[in-house]
Parts: sequence; structure tokens; C-alpha cells
Amino acid sequence: KQEVTQIPAALSVPEGENLVLNCSFTDSAIYNLQWFRQDPGKGLTSLLLIQSSQREQTSGRLNASLDKSSGRSTLYIAASQPGDSATYLCAVSGNTPLVFGKGTRLSVIA
Amino acid sequence: GAGVSQSPSNKVTEKGKDVELRCDPISGHTALYWYRQSLGQGLEFLIYFQGNSAPDKSGLPSDRFSAERTGGSVSTLTIQRTQQEDSAVYLCASSPTDNEGYTFGSGTRLTVV
Repeated sequence: KQEVTQIPAALSVPEGENLVLNCSFTDSAIYNLQWFRQDPGKGLTSLLLIQSSQREQTSGRLNASLDKSSGRSTLYIAASQPGDSATYLCAVSGNTPLVFGKGTRLSVIA
Repeated sequence: GAGVSQSPSNKVTEKGKDVELRCDPISGHTALYWYRQSLGQGLEFLIYFQGNSAPDKSGLPSDRFSAERTGGSVSTLTIQRTQQEDSAVYLCASSPTDNEGYTFGSGTRLTVV
């Protein structure tokens, strides 16, 4: 059974810092990995999708990497801003629908 | 449509009543998913539809929960005889196929009083 773990559970950083969020999964037989953002009381917004054959994806200040063999992904956020404050969720898709981690709650302090 | 649409956005119901939650996926997306997010918990998979195949109901927590998808488009999640533990945000997602990225709706916040 696929299990997804995200570390840390919460993170507080000053504005302008670069930061890394970590995600690990137990079954490397995945189709893709997706990073989402969730603001309080809102739905999920897709940030980046990495197919199993890819190593990384970039969008603006965000960069996500995937090491399928070791079951790990990282989300790198450059020059963090208060507007980046949200919960970041990692999810993997394989023989089952998306399995989610419990998320990392990020606070960027101005 | 431009995105996944869910209705209602909020629903308050009395314990024991039945509720129906609606999801309108992105046009042309063959895969549709329902998830539940309870307060402080992660996202819990409920049910998955792919084209005309039989749905994967493996995540439904009890026989009070059911879902259907008519004409390969709109889906309805029904909860019968609601209980307080059913209070959660119910999220729907769709994807072009079953191994491409998901797009989520804004969810339905269900409160059972």
C-alpha cells in the first residue's frame, strides 16, 4: 500500500529565504507525482506535475525534483514571499488514484 | 467548463438526513475522483470513475456512501443517514486520463449537526 510522508509538518521562515519541502513515498511504481497548494478553507491548486520519466519540473520560483528509485521528491521555493503561506501537499499516482501526504504548513513572515 | 465545479459550496444538515453533493468535471476529462478532507486530516480517497468502466469504490467508508456518474460527465455523491463524523470537506477532481494530472474543485463543506 502506497504511503506518502511529508517533512516537516510545519515551517516558518522570514521573507526572502529559499526553502525546501520534502516528500517521500514507499512504492516507486508511480505514474506521476503532483505538488498542490491549499489555502485555508479552499480547494487544491496544482503547482507542478512530474511524470515518472522526468527528473524535475519548474514553474517560476518553484522547482520540483523526483527521484523515483529512492522514493523522494523535493519542492524548492526561491525567494519566499508572504503570499506563499499555505499548506503544500505532495501526491503520487500509480496503480491507485492519487495518494496524498498530510502536507507541510508554510508560513512566510514579512 | 473551465474548471471543476462543485455544488453546493456549503451544506448544513441534520443528523440522519440524506445529502447529495454534485461535481461537474472539466469537459472531456474521462477520470473523476471523490476525496474527503476531515478537519486536521489528510485527503482520503473515496471513489474513482474512469470512462465506462465499473467505478473503484474501495475508499467508501460505509454503505451509507454511494456515487454515480451519469453520461460520463456529472457525478453525484450521496450520503444517507448522515452522522456527525461525516462532517468534512468533500473534494472532487478530474483528469484527462487516469495517469495525468488532477484538477480539483473548490469542494463542498458538509456540516452535520
